[in-house]
Amino acid sequence: KAGVTQTPRYLIKTRGQQVTLSCSPISGHRSVSWYQQTPGQGLQFLFEYFSETQRNKGNFPGRFSGRQFSNSRSEMNVSTLELGDSALYLCASSWPITSGSTDTQYFGPGTRLTVL
Amino acid sequence: GQQLNQSPQSMFIQEGEDVSMNCTSSSIFNTWLWYKQEPGEGPVLLIALYKAGELTSNGRLTAQFGITRKDSFLNISASIPSDVGIYFCAGLSGGSQGNLIFGKGTKLSVKP
Repeated sequence: KAGVTQTPRYLIKTRGQQVTLSCSPISGHRSVSWYQQTPGQGLQFLFEYFSETQRNKGNFPGRFSGRQFSNSRSEMNVSTLELGDSALYLCASSWPITSGSTDTQYFGPGTRLTVL
Repeated sequence: GQQLNQSPQSMFIQEGEDVSMNCTSSSIFNTWLWYKQEPGEGPVLLIALYKAGELTSNGRLTAQFGITRKDSFLNISASIPSDVGIYFCAGLSGGSQGNLIFGKGTKLSVKP
């Protein structure tokens, strides 16, 4: 089956701009979660969506928002970009984290965002 | 805020040796997850734990959800060169909107 798709793969923006990243989950998966990875902070959880509803949420400011569509595709938006937002943004699709399902979680290749 | 202390930070072992790493916290978690990440790749979920005391295996990997719900460990038996990578633990807190907290990772190097 096709894997998790993230677009774009690379993005360069300037401070103050906004950005929208897209994630298409594996067919049949209804949960999409987003993560930020940086050398300094490591992996950090942004949020998880299931059936268009945000289920879990990390400690990120309101500039970071997301949504999920009826076809399970998800978008993440970052407004008023700061230099510190430069990171690899990963999304993963699965059954919900707490479902107890034996189906595993699959990560996409990530979007590398650079803020200048 | 919630934090996970993952140890050790790095390990250099000989092929065939067993490996043990753990994560501890002062906070209680409802779910523990263990991931492996190789250079240039996204994380791969290895094991998910949902109940206190649960012991789960995935091939040569075994992980346990601590009875206190504040810790978890991962063991790798008979390590092989392809076990090289960074292993992360993650704990999911409870509540209507839980937060998934990650450890800083354990970097594993295996010498053939």
